Amino acid sequence: GQNIDQPTEMTATEGAIVQINCTYQTSGFNGLFWYQQHAGEAPTFLSYNVLDGLEEKGRFSSFLSRSKGYSYLLLKELQMKDSASYLCAVRDGDRGSTLGRLYFGRGTQLTVWP
Amino acid sequence: EADIYQTPRYLVIGTGKKITLECSQTMGHDKMYWYQQDPGMELHLIHYSYGVNSTEKGDLSSESTVSRIRTEHFPLTLESARPSHTSQYLCASSIQTSGEETQYFGPGTRLLVL
Repeated sequence: GQNIDQPTEMTATEGAIVQINCTYQTSGFNGLFWYQQHAGEAPTFLSYNVLDGLEEKGRFSSFLSRSKGYSYLLLKELQMKDSASYLCAVRDGDRGSTLGRLYFGRGTQLTVWP
Repeated sequence: EADIYQTPRYLVIGTGKKITLECSQTMGHDKMYWYQQDPGMELHLIHYSYGVNSTEKGDLSSESTVSRIRTEHFPLTLESARPSHTSQYLCASSIQTSGEETQYFGPGTRLLVL
């Protein structure tokens, strides 16, 4: 089966750095995604990793280690508006395949305090 | 910006009623998905489609049906609503470019079955 684990909750203060971890065990791997979801809203895409290493996008970075089944999302210079749930999702299937579905974790609820 | 729409946004209905949740996207995406999400929980895939006349079952498909007659339209039908169907339903679409595929989500339909 598919298993994606991430912490349920995290808290941090404005201006700080926070790292949200995600571990996964899936039958296939064709990419890992991070989504942000504010309360009552739909998820929005943050980042995508398919190769090992760090991908940086402004204040957000995402890291992947396929051999360890591990990823993290790094948020820098935290702002109040970053308070949201952060979803880790893994796409199964063969690398480069156009098929494959996403399996989502339960999300990590991040609260940023002033 | 993603152009994906869902109607209705909110629905309260009695047990046993047949309901259809609408989802449309104007981006020409081939792939479309339906997810169910309860508060604080992961997204569960209900159905997905890789193109016109293509539909596949997800993890929670047994009590609903979908159709994909047109690229832009992917309605979800519950033949007989039950209180256990109370949840948020999210539609998503995606297209693969340069090996990267990102799912874009609609605003969701919040369903309450009495």
